[in-house]
Amino acid sequence: AQSVTQLDSQVPVFEEAPVELRCNYSSSVSVYLFWYVQYPNQGLQLLLKYLSGSTLVKGINGFEAEFNKSQTSFHLRKPSVHISDTAEYFCAVSRTTGRRALTFGSGTRLQVQP
Amino acid sequence: DTGVSQDPRHKITKRGQNVTFRCDPISEHNRLYWYRQTLGQGPEFLTYFQNEAQLEKSRLLSDRFSAERPKGSFSTLEIQRTEQGDSAMYLCASSSITGTGGDLYNEQFFGPGTRLTVL
Repeated sequence: AQSVTQLDSQVPVFEEAPVELRCNYSSSVSVYLFWYVQYPNQGLQLLLKYLSGSTLVKGINGFEAEFNKSQTSFHLRKPSVHISDTAEYFCAVSRTTGRRALTFGSGTRLQVQP
Repeated sequence: DTGVSQDPRHKITKRGQNVTFRCDPISEHNRLYWYRQTLGQGPEFLTYFQNEAQLEKSRLLSDRFSAERPKGSFSTLEIQRTEQGDSAMYLCASSSITGTGGDLYNEQFFGPGTRLTVL
């Protein structure tokens, strides 16, 4: 079984400041890693994914994440946030074979303040 | 718009009533997933279909829940004898096992969800 832990339920940050949202996972098998964003009253949108290869993954809206296998982490970063980045962010994993359902963390609420 | 659509977007019902939700996936996608998201939590997997075959059901899917995908296109999720604990956002997602960037990489595209409130 897989599990995902998002260490911060809320992250307040000022506009134009950098931000890091933390994610740790646990799995006995190989996994793919994802970050999704959810705006109020909307579905989930994929920000970025790690499948293999380079451990630094770039996504949409200026976000990037780094896969660290030894620490089983996949932290999300952005060098300069905007008010429009205010949303809920979910880290997720899925097996690379067989069962393909996503296992999500409990989410991190990013609140960007002016 | 060729994204995943869900209907209705909101449903308020009384305890004990039956409700049915519909999901229309992206047209060329042959995998369809249902998830449930309660307040303050991440989505939890309920079930998934490949074409019309229901391949897996979570332990969260009690006997009161049933999902179908009769022709491998749209899907319905029915909850019988609703309980207050069923109040949640029900999310549908789809993916493809063919084509570039499809299910080979398990990229699932999500619909806007159906928010269920059981009074």
